[in-house]
Amino acid sequence: EAQVTQNPRYLITVTGKKLTVTCSQNMNHEYMSWYRQDPGLGLRQIYYSMNVEVTDKGDVPEGYKVSRKEKRNFPLILESPSPNQTSLYFCASSLARQGGNEQFFGPGTRLTVL
Amino acid sequence: AQSVTQLGSHVSVSEGALVLLRCNYSSSVPPYLFWYVQYPNQGLQLLLKYTSAATLVKGINGFEAEFKKSETSFHLTKPSAHMSDAAEYFCAVSLYNFNKFYFGSGTKLNVKP
Repeated sequence: EAQVTQNPRYLITVTGKKLTVTCSQNMNHEYMSWYRQDPGLGLRQIYYSMNVEVTDKGDVPEGYKVSRKEKRNFPLILESPSPNQTSLYFCASSLARQGGNEQFFGPGTRLTVL
Repeated sequence: AQSVTQLGSHVSVSEGALVLLRCNYSSSVPPYLFWYVQYPNQGLQLLLKYTSAATLVKGINGFEAEFKKSETSFHLTKPSAHMSDAAEYFCAVSLYNFNKFYFGSGTKLNVKP
């Protein structure tokens, strides 16, 4: 089944404790992206990647890191999480670089930083 | 930066009534436009997209949207609401050759029996 998977689905952590949220897709998509969803703000793009070893900032990259060492994986790293990073996070992927391609979304990761 | 405005954070309609969810975007060039739906505790699912072909776009579940360049709008409609349409709907914009996506703040649709 074609899908985007994220792990963990739920995470409660404390301020300053490094964490990684994994994202994997099995559709051989070039483009992958991370979003955070907050009430009243919709989804905001954190980082995106157009291909292996190619990443770029979205609108809200502060406090986050990403890497794209393999085509299928795009982990999101919070080196020193803070309470304002409490949010619902989505990973997405799409087939090619053009802007008109549909993005496929993962199920989301709900992160709470105490 | 692009902006996407969805008028009305909550819309309530009766079952069988017309659904109209509004989306306006700011762009100096024709964008790609999308509508996504999010059911509770789930990820986003594509409803439909506009990519410079026909201005009236038909999507899944009976939804459609019309791209109006002069009004910079891409409103989502469905002639007859069903209880299963209750969800949150997001309008999104992407520009050709750019890989950033901009989402609206979302509209929660409530369908009353």
